[in-house]
Amino acid sequence: GNSVTQMEGPVTLSEEAFLTINCTYTATGYPSLFWYVQYPGEGLQLLLKATKADDKGSNKGFEATYRKETTSFHLEKGSVQVSDSAVYFCAPPNDYKLSFGAGTTVTVRA
Amino acid sequence: EAGVAQSPRYKIIEKRQSVAFWCNPISGHATLYWYQQILGQGPKLLIQFQNNGVVDDSQLPKDRFSAERLKGVDSTLKIQPAKLEDSAVYLCASSPTGSGSTEAFFGQGTRLTVV
Repeated sequence: GNSVTQMEGPVTLSEEAFLTINCTYTATGYPSLFWYVQYPGEGLQLLLKATKADDKGSNKGFEATYRKETTSFHLEKGSVQVSDSAVYFCAPPNDYKLSFGAGTTVTVRA
Repeated sequence: EAGVAQSPRYKIIEKRQSVAFWCNPISGHATLYWYQQILGQGPKLLIQFQNNGVVDDSQLPKDRFSAERLKGVDSTLKIQPAKLEDSAVYLCASSPTGSGSTEAFFGQGTRLTVV
């Protein structure tokens, strides 16, 4: 079945550092791919998505490109802020349900 | 557009007591999910409804957990009797369809503490 392998955390960075969280997937066909984020004390929210190969999703300074040749959907941000401290989830592509792994906890220090 | 509403936000109960959580999804969303998120872990899907039918409840501990979605709108999740290990945040989410091509919208969750 479809699945993802996401970089384990925790990740601790200084403000303005570059962030990348690796995510590779296995899937049948070319499903939509998603990154969700969970800020402390809140539910998950969609951060960005890409619906087809070579699409780039972007939001809040974050980007991820759907690369079918490497089956990857890595999340990147060029300059993180303290407010980016959160848990990030790469959602396994699935035709009918939405499941999550443990996520990657990111802490940004001032 | 109103988001997914959950209540209560917090609940503390003693073990062996029962508890119920309520979720009101976004209007018109056919799919409703309940997740259990234990501290430090990712959300675990407990049950998924498509309208008022169950699509997946393979990870729902059916000896103590039950859920219903009357009229395909609101949903309640019940635990009876509660155990210490049920302490977690219970998240409700909804999406327009059950397709993996659409995003899900989450409520803020109910934090349950079993003592």
